[in-house]
Amino acid sequence: DIQMTQSPSSLSASVGDRVTITCQASQDISNYLNWYQQKPGKAPKLLIYDASNLETGVPSRFSGSGSGTDFTFTISSLQPEDIATYYCQQYDNLALTFGGGTKVEIK
Amino acid sequence: EVQLVESGGGLVQPGGSLRLSCAASGFTFSSYDMHWVRQATGKGLEWVSAIGTAGDTYYPGSVKGRFTISRENAKNSLYLQMNSLRAGDTAVYYCARAAGSGSLTFDCWGQGTLVTVSS
Repeated sequence: DIQMTQSPSSLSASVGDRVTITCQASQDISNYLNWYQQKPGKAPKLLIYDASNLETGVPSRFSGSGSGTDFTFTISSLQPEDIATYYCQQYDNLALTFGGGTKVEIK
Repeated sequence: EVQLVESGGGLVQPGGSLRLSCAASGFTFSSYDMHWVRQATGKGLEWVSAIGTAGDTYYPGSVKGRFTISRENAKNSLYLQMNSLRAGDTAVYYCARAAGSGSLTFDCWGQGTLVTVSS
């Protein structure tokens, strides 16, 4: 199975800060990568698909980039409602796997 | 409004069985691949199973041979039959809709149902 290494596992930032999360695949997955947001006690929500495409209705402060094995997820200006855990997910094949998650908190 | 509602979770003894259901509404259920994803308390997400529009099924090694995914399009329902349950299967189980036929992107999730395997 393809392993997804996500970092950091947690971070604390101030409102308005730029936040960056990385996800590294154990092998080339082209752009077959999604990013999800999960707020406490809630189901995950799709934010970014195909590595860099913003899901309809998602604020433009969220973005994604990368291809191959290295991917980046960015919140350009952190807002209080962005407090959540973020997960990457690869779909290069049907052995779908997720990163370990990054918990984002407000400093 | 697209909606997925899971049910059927509960407490079951190791070695026991449980059947989860997911009721879909707000979209043409038969046209979408569907998945189950689970999350142990405080842990990350783990893909559990998938079923295509033609009824083709897929599983990871951790549940293959123990879990069976099925669908009943006439009832807009998805199921997960779980047998030979282990403590490690304890988790919240989510049903999730794939963004389109052949897609492996989950664009809609249910609220989840908790399965606890314990004696």
